[in-house]
Amino acid sequence: DSGVTQTPKHLITATGQRVTLRCSPRSGDLSVYWYQQSLDQGLQFLIQYYNGEERAKGNILERFSAQQFPDLHSELNLSSLELGDSALYFCASSISGRGTDTQYFGPGTRLTVL
Amino acid sequence: AQSVTQPDIHITVSEGASLELRCNYSYGATPYLFWYVQSPGQGLQLLLKYFSGDTLVQGIKGFEAEFKRSQSSFNLRKPSVHWSDAAEYFCAVGLHIKAAGNKLTFGGGTRVLVKP
Repeated sequence: DSGVTQTPKHLITATGQRVTLRCSPRSGDLSVYWYQQSLDQGLQFLIQYYNGEERAKGNILERFSAQQFPDLHSELNLSSLELGDSALYFCASSISGRGTDTQYFGPGTRLTVL
Repeated sequence: AQSVTQPDIHITVSEGASLELRCNYSYGATPYLFWYVQSPGQGLQLLLKYFSGDTLVQGIKGFEAEFKRSQSSFNLRKPSVHWSDAAEYFCAVGLHIKAAGNKLTFGGGTRVLVKP
C-alpha cells in the first residue's frame, strides 16, 4: 500500500459524458501527478500540481482538467468523453515535486467509455 | 525531448534463473532514472532509482540496476527469479526543470513471465 488513494476504482460511462477522478496523496506529500496508461499510448504524464498550483503539463487534452485543493487532494476532470479515453488513470504523489523525489503511485482508476 | 526504450516487450524466464531487463534512454543531461514494477491490477511500485554516485544501485526485492553513461543504459537485474516476480516492469527517466515542475517519462514496459 503506497498511501495514495484513488476513487473510484472502476468507472463505466458513455461517450460525451463527464467524469471526475479523485486522488488523496500520501500524508505529508505536497505534489500530485496524474498519468494515463493505455494500450496504444503506454504510460503518459498528464499534469503535476504542487501545493495547489499547476507545475508541469504533459500530453493532457483540452477536454481534461485538474486541480489540487487546499487539503492537497486532487481531482482530474474528463469531459466530452470519447472511446479512446478508456484507460487506467494513475495518481502519484511526492514530497516536494523535485526530480529526485520518489513518486508513489495509487492503485489507479479504470475508466471504460462505451 | 527525453525518451526511454525498453527493447523487450515480453521475457520468459524459469524460476531460479537470472533476469536482465534492458533500458535505454535519451536525455541531454545526467538523468534521474527509475525502475518501477506493476503487478496485475496494481499500481506502480518503485524498485530502485539512480541520481548520481555509485553506478550500481541496489533496490527492493533483490533487484539491482547499473547505470552506464557511455551506453545510455540502465539495465535491471536479479540473480534468481521467484514466481512472484511475474509482473510488468517499467523504466523511467525523470525530468526536472527548475521552478517548472517534474515529470516521469516511461518506457513501454517489459512483461515478465516466470515458468515453474
